[in-house]
Amino acid sequence: QITLKESGPTLVKPTQTLTLTCTFSGFSLTTSGVGVGWIRQPPGKALEWLALIYWDDDKRYSPSLKNRLTITKDTSKNQVVLTMTNVDPVDTATYFCAHRSGEAFDYWGQGTLVTVSS
Amino acid sequence: DIQMTQSPSTLSASVGDRVTITCRASQSISSWLAWYQQKAGKAPKLLIYKASNLESGVPSRFRGSGSGTEFTLTISSLQPDDFATYYCQQYGSYLYTFGQGTKLEIK
Repeated sequence: QITLKESGPTLVKPTQTLTLTCTFSGFSLTTSGVGVGWIRQPPGKALEWLALIYWDDDKRYSPSLKNRLTITKDTSKNQVVLTMTNVDPVDTATYFCAHRSGEAFDYWGQGTLVTVSS
Repeated sequence: DIQMTQSPSTLSASVGDRVTITCRASQSISSWLAWYQQKAGKAPKLLIYKASNLESGVPSRFRGSGSGTEFTLTISSLQPDDFATYYCQQYGSYLYTFGQGTKLEIK
């Protein structure tokens, strides 16, 4: 059974760096074809894809945010970490991590709400 | 970047109705399109992948179709549990984009 869970701060100040961790089970990020992505959703708004890391350490980023994002994996801990630099109140959102299957995300974490405020 | 445009943004319908949601891509994405259902406060749920393939466990009243730049999600007979927000998502050139969502409301 595949499960994912996001963790990280609930409140971050503007200009700080946000670090989120996705801890997963039921699959391995060393298996060919596997990927884990991050998606966010501001309150009342649409989903926005942020980044994805593949089993072979290939990384993809949203063009609009790529200068602020870094995605890494720790296969020994079954974790994927997303860092976002220089956060702003517009980055307030629920952040989800998800398991990639083919071109879609078939398993999602419950999400974690991050508020950016001074 | 590939943009996804969903229509309508809001749809009012009744139990038993047949409804269709459309998603258009700004350039061809072949069949690299997925549909999700999201209920308030919950994570999205994958319904359809590769434009027309039903995810395991999803009721057969959900049907996806299309290729290239135009895609549709049809629910053949609305059930009370179907009132939610629906998103399309494309995968092209190793990048992903979601549509802006369609909120399906009870009439």
